[in-house]
Amino acid sequence: DAGVTQSPTHLIKTRGQQVTLRCSPKSGHDTVSWYQQALGQGPQFIFQYYEEEERQRGNFPDRFSGHQFPNYSSELNVNALLLGDSALYLCASSSGTVGTDTQYFGPGTRLTVL
Amino acid sequence: GESVGLHLPTLSVQEGDNSIINCAYSNSASDYFIWYKQESGKGPQFIIDIRSNMDKRQGQRVTVLLNKTVKHLSLQIAATQPGDSAVYFCAEESNDYKLSFGAGTTVTVRA
Repeated sequence: DAGVTQSPTHLIKTRGQQVTLRCSPKSGHDTVSWYQQALGQGPQFIFQYYEEEERQRGNFPDRFSGHQFPNYSSELNVNALLLGDSALYLCASSSGTVGTDTQYFGPGTRLTVL
Repeated sequence: GESVGLHLPTLSVQEGDNSIINCAYSNSASDYFIWYKQESGKGPQFIIDIRSNMDKRQGQRVTVLLNKTVKHLSLQIAATQPGDSAVYFCAEESNDYKLSFGAGTTVTVRA
C-alpha cells in the first residue's frame, strides 16, 4: 500500500521565480492538505483540497495556489518566490468524507530560495 | 488566535525509562488530537490519536491522555528506545479540517 509521495525531494530556486510541487495521496484517500514547515518549527497549514476545490485556507498570501486533479493528486504553486519561502513543504492526505480523519504526511519537498 | 503548544522544547531520557511529553492547547472547540513523530529529514509520522469524547487511549508502547478541563494532552512512551529519538508534535483539529501544530519537543535517548 503506497503512502503519500511527493516530488521533487529537493529544489533550489532564486527570488522571483515560480515553483510547482507535486503530491500523490495515500491509496483510498481523496483529500490533500499542504503545510509549510520552517526550520525548527511545527508545520503551518496552507490549504486543503477536496473534490478538486480548495475547501479551507490558512494565513498564506495569494502567491500560494494549488490544484487537485481527478485522480486526487495535487500541486502546490508558489509565485514570486521570496527568501522567506525557504522551507520544507509537506503534503498530507486523508479521507475527506469522514469528518475529522487522520492526516498522513509525505516525506516533504525541501525548497531553498537563493 | 488559537494555538497548540508543547511545554518543553527538549527532553533527554535514559534508554529503557518511560518518557512523558506534554502539550497544552487553547481551542476549546477542538475535538480531535494527534501525536506525530518527525525524524530528521522526514515528514511527520502518525503515532496515536484521541477524540474529545475519550480521556485515554493506548497503542503499542504509547499512551495518550487528554484532560479537557485544563486543555492538556500528553504522550507517554514506555521503555524508550534509541529509535524513539525524534521531534514530537501534538496537533489539534476542529471542524475546519486543518491541523494546528505546536513547535515540537525534541526527544534524545541516552544509551
